[in-house]
Amino acid sequence: NAGVMQNPRHLVRRRGQEARLRCSPMKGHSHVYWYRQLPEEGLKFMVYLQKENIIDESGMPKERFSAEFPKEGPSILRIQQVVRGDSAAYFCASSPPPENRTHPFFGSGTQLSVL
Amino acid sequence: KQEVTQIPAALSVPEGENLVLNCSFTDSAIYNLQWFRQDPGKGLTSLLLIQSSQREQTSGRLNASLDKSSGRSTLYIAASQPGDSATYLCAETRRGGADGLTFGKGTHLIIQP
Repeated sequence: NAGVMQNPRHLVRRRGQEARLRCSPMKGHSHVYWYRQLPEEGLKFMVYLQKENIIDESGMPKERFSAEFPKEGPSILRIQQVVRGDSAAYFCASSPPPENRTHPFFGSGTQLSVL
Repeated sequence: KQEVTQIPAALSVPEGENLVLNCSFTDSAIYNLQWFRQDPGKGLTSLLLIQSSQREQTSGRLNASLDKSSGRSTLYIAASQPGDSATYLCAETRRGGADGLTFGKGTHLIIQP
């Protein structure tokens, strides 16, 4: 049973380009979380999704950022028109439904660098 | 607004020492508290999870305690080893995990051989 898979591990973009970060949850996990870790900062919650539904996006910037978790395929975090301040490590975590009371498992992250 | 604070921000000790990492939180509605380990360039590894109804959890040389009334948790590492060098994060969650985790900034631990 593979863990949470994130790709790419490293992503370099120039200002104004789009960044697409992918997260494949663990087998059997129906819920996905995205977190951002800025340099010298703790991880900050961005968005919580289950398949085809955004449950909580209170931590996600209102503009340029979007997330989806389709019925088939990985969850995607999309950042449009990237700026230097978007440079950070983006972590994905997955879990079964909350009623299972299992802690989420984290991926290794995607390091986004904006030139 | 939930806040999680970790003290110290960095710690360097000789191998073999016992040490304590501290975590404080402001959320009285905490559901559980979790300690993670983060190695450079890697993801987070869950070390211990304490449900709000529990007082402590143990795994090998690690022991984590939770005191909801004072809003504190500690991670105790016995007989430290160089391989314990990493950043240790504590995080709390509310409402049965339906909310995201709120993380502290971490304690960067170095164990000197």
